[in-house]
Amino acid sequence: SSELTQDPAVSVALGQTVRITCQGDSLRSYFASWYQQKPGQAPVLVIYGKSNRPSGIPDRFSGSSSGNTASLTITGAQAEDEADYYCSSRDSSGNFVWVFGGGTKLTVL
Amino acid sequence: QVQLVESGGGVVQPGRSLRLSCAASGFTFSRYAMHWVRQAPGKGLEWVAVIWYDRSNEYYADSVKGRFTISRDTSKNTLYLQMNSLRAEDTAFYYCARVNVHTAMVWYLDLWGRGTLVTVSS
Repeated sequence: SSELTQDPAVSVALGQTVRITCQGDSLRSYFASWYQQKPGQAPVLVIYGKSNRPSGIPDRFSGSSSGNTASLTITGAQAEDEADYYCSSRDSSGNFVWVFGGGTKLTVL
Repeated sequence: QVQLVESGGGVVQPGRSLRLSCAASGFTFSRYAMHWVRQAPGKGLEWVAVIWYDRSNEYYADSVKGRFTISRDTSKNTLYLQMNSLRAEDTAFYYCARVNVHTAMVWYLDLWGRGTLVTVSS
């Protein structure tokens, strides 16, 4: 099965824009979905498809995709956005497999 | 209220078994495929297994294949994970999650439970 690769950690100044990236072969066949996880809490879906946000997710969160790379962008990062972010997709090889990236720890300075 | 609630976690000795449950409410459980996802303390998310909405297919991560079994009971709106031959490396929070499919290329997990902790230790 394929893997999804994320940078382990990213930081952003309060109010600035940050992009978190995810690379993997499966992203050529399936869109990534993105999950936010704060300490002690379950993951929450923030972006799916091209750049769809579930109800309740602020519009400062957006997504994009090109080739084998997906990106999550936070425009005007807030203190409450500090969290771990995971990309995920269905694997494109053989039988059904679901893959997660290793996660990116976002620090808002 | 649309929610998933896991139960059944606890401390278990290596080699023993445990069954997790995930109670679904607030939506038509029978229409959705369901996953189990786990997270070892301080580590990332790891997919465990999925079952189709009609139980026609089940798939497992290599790390649990042959030891874990996913199942569902539509009459009880409940998802299960039977875990046999448990190992120390199975220690993790276990989450159930609902699968949504927007198009053939857009699959995502749009509803998660709060998780239940399984600790495998002697």
